[in-house]
Amino acid sequence: DVVMTQTPVSLSVAIGQPASISCKSSQSLVGTSGKTYLNWLLQRPGQSPKRLIYLVSKLDSGIPDRFSGSGSETDFTLKISRVEADDLGVYYCLQGTHFPQTFGGGTKLELK
Amino acid sequence: EVQLVESGGGLVQPGRSLKLSCAASGFTFSDYNMAWVRQAPTKGLEWVASISYGGSNTHYGDSVKGRFTISRDNAKSTLYLQMDSLRSEDTATYYCARQTGFAYWGQGTLVTVSS
Repeated sequence: DVVMTQTPVSLSVAIGQPASISCKSSQSLVGTSGKTYLNWLLQRPGQSPKRLIYLVSKLDSGIPDRFSGSGSETDFTLKISRVEADDLGVYYCLQGTHFPQTFGGGTKLELK
Repeated sequence: EVQLVESGGGLVQPGRSLKLSCAASGFTFSDYNMAWVRQAPTKGLEWVASISYGGSNTHYGDSVKGRFTISRDNAKSTLYLQMDSLRSEDTATYYCARQTGFAYWGQGTLVTVSS
């Protein structure tokens, strides 16, 4: 199985400051179609996961452009340009290129 | 609006069985592969099982293979997870999700395996 490694495990950020989360995969996530099936999810406290970004960098509907995704092959990054209180929770990367789909271990974003 | 609503969780003794359901609405259920994902208390997300849109193909995680069975009733727009020979390590919140891109998730149902 593809191993997804997220860093850091936790992140403390002040409101208005930027945040960055890294996700590295144990093998390339470029599929036979040429697409890279790398998603980012946010799980707020007490809620189910919510997808923020798909195909590395495409924002889901309603997701503010403070969020951005980038990367290729095995290295991916989620960036928040200016953290807001509503952004706290656990962020997960998820690869869907290789079966079975696998999740990163999660990064907990806390407010400083 | 896409909605996925899980039910069927609860407290069950080790070795016993439980069947979860996930009622889908807001989309053509029979067009999509579906999945179950679980989350043990204070832990991360773990894929459990997937089923193709027609129900003919199923796949399972190693930790549940041979004990859990995923199925669907497209006429009822409902996904199921039959869980047999339950163990304490199966204690988790179980989410159903639309597999294509994992864009949609249910609210989860808690399964507690304990004597």
